[in-house]
Amino acid sequence: GDSVTQMEGPVTLSEEAFLTINCTYTATGYPSLFWYVQYPGEGLQLLLKATKADDKGSNKGFEATYRKETTSFHLEKGSVQVSDSAVYFCALPSGAGSYQLTFGKGTKLSVIP
Amino acid sequence: DSGVTQTPKHLITATGQRVTLRCSPRSGDLSVYWYQQSLDQGLQFLIHYYNGEERAKGNILERFSAQQFPDLHSELNLSSLELGDSALYFCASSPHPDSNQPQHFGDGTRLSIL
Repeated sequence: GDSVTQMEGPVTLSEEAFLTINCTYTATGYPSLFWYVQYPGEGLQLLLKATKADDKGSNKGFEATYRKETTSFHLEKGSVQVSDSAVYFCALPSGAGSYQLTFGKGTKLSVIP
Repeated sequence: DSGVTQTPKHLITATGQRVTLRCSPRSGDLSVYWYQQSLDQGLQFLIHYYNGEERAKGNILERFSAQQFPDLHSELNLSSLELGDSALYFCASSPHPDSNQPQHFGDGTRLSIL
């Protein structure tokens, strides 16, 4: 079945450091791919998405490129801020006709001043 | 604000009891998904309703059931509760089941079993 493998944290970075969170997937066909973010005490928010190969999703300085060849969708940000501290989830829709989300285990990011 | 409303925010109850979690989807969304988030299992899909009908089941226990009402709100019923049912339960909605559309999540209901 479909699955998402995400680098496990926690990840601790200093403010203005470069961030990469790795995500690879196994799926039938070429599904859309999503990154969600969960801030402390809140629900999941869509961060960015890509719907086809070579698409780049971007939002709030974060970027991820849909790589069909390597089945990857790594999340990057050039300069993190303290306010980026959160848990990040890579996800893909699976289940024909339903498209429920299959999530990675999540990566907790802490950014220190 | 995602537009998805979940109540209550917190529930504390005892083993063997029964609880009902409620979800109001975003205006216009016909699809409602339920997920469970726990430390050991991560985020897992439970069940999906679309326009009042069950569409898919995931890792949902037989003690759990759900329904979606004509006004499109949904309820997740958990019975014969066990300590292991303690988790954060999320509801998410989307206009239709569509692999390109993101789902919008509520803030969740935190269930604690004592």
